[in-house]
Amino acid sequence: DTAVSQTPKYLVTQMGNDKSIKCEQNLGHDTMYWYKQDSKKFLKIMFSYNNKELIINETVPNRFSPKSPDKAHLNLHINSLELGDSAVYFCASSQDLRSGTQYFGPGTRLLVL
Amino acid sequence: AQSVTQLGSHVSVSEGALVLLRCNYSSSVPPYLFWYVQYPNQGLQLLLKYTTGATLVKGINGFEAEFKKSETSFHLTKPSAHMSDAAEYFCAVRSQGGSEKLVFGKGTKLTVNP
Repeated sequence: DTAVSQTPKYLVTQMGNDKSIKCEQNLGHDTMYWYKQDSKKFLKIMFSYNNKELIINETVPNRFSPKSPDKAHLNLHINSLELGDSAVYFCASSQDLRSGTQYFGPGTRLLVL
Repeated sequence: AQSVTQLGSHVSVSEGALVLLRCNYSSSVPPYLFWYVQYPNQGLQLLLKYTTGATLVKGINGFEAEFKKSETSFHLTKPSAHMSDAAEYFCAVRSQGGSEKLVFGKGTKLTVNP
């Protein structure tokens, strides 16, 4: 029973395609996040949601659209994939907005060819 | 705005030697500070955190860190390195009661030599 799970684990696709990554947490947390880790291991927040409401949107291209159908799920849809989108995408969750401790999923390794 | 600087992108130690990973932060308000570890091909796992109170914080796997406000530092230490400690370590900061955004340093890769 993984606390934060992501699917798929690996994603290889062609430039211009549209793809989605799914995230689920079974911790009962209110807040969920998407991070991007580039090839140099630098981690940057992309989005956060609290109780299905968008809280943070960090100057991410609008080709990236998060969706939270309920507070246990936060999905990431990417349109018109570009080479520069290749990265590892991590989902995370925290108890609430005030809690600093975030729990991370295993990551989705996206390779755009 | 907050920021984190991790000095040394790569640190190499011998098994049994002291581990010291450096982290300095910048924050205009009292910070919460964190160390996360990332093993190869895995997600991040919380090692320890400082919120308020005792400035010496103990975490999992024998790691500890000390919050030094005067030096704006939160260095991570372990008295004796083990081969299984080889991983990427990330320091992170967020403000108390402010933005919920966690800002990460660029990471330090720890290599442990036999």
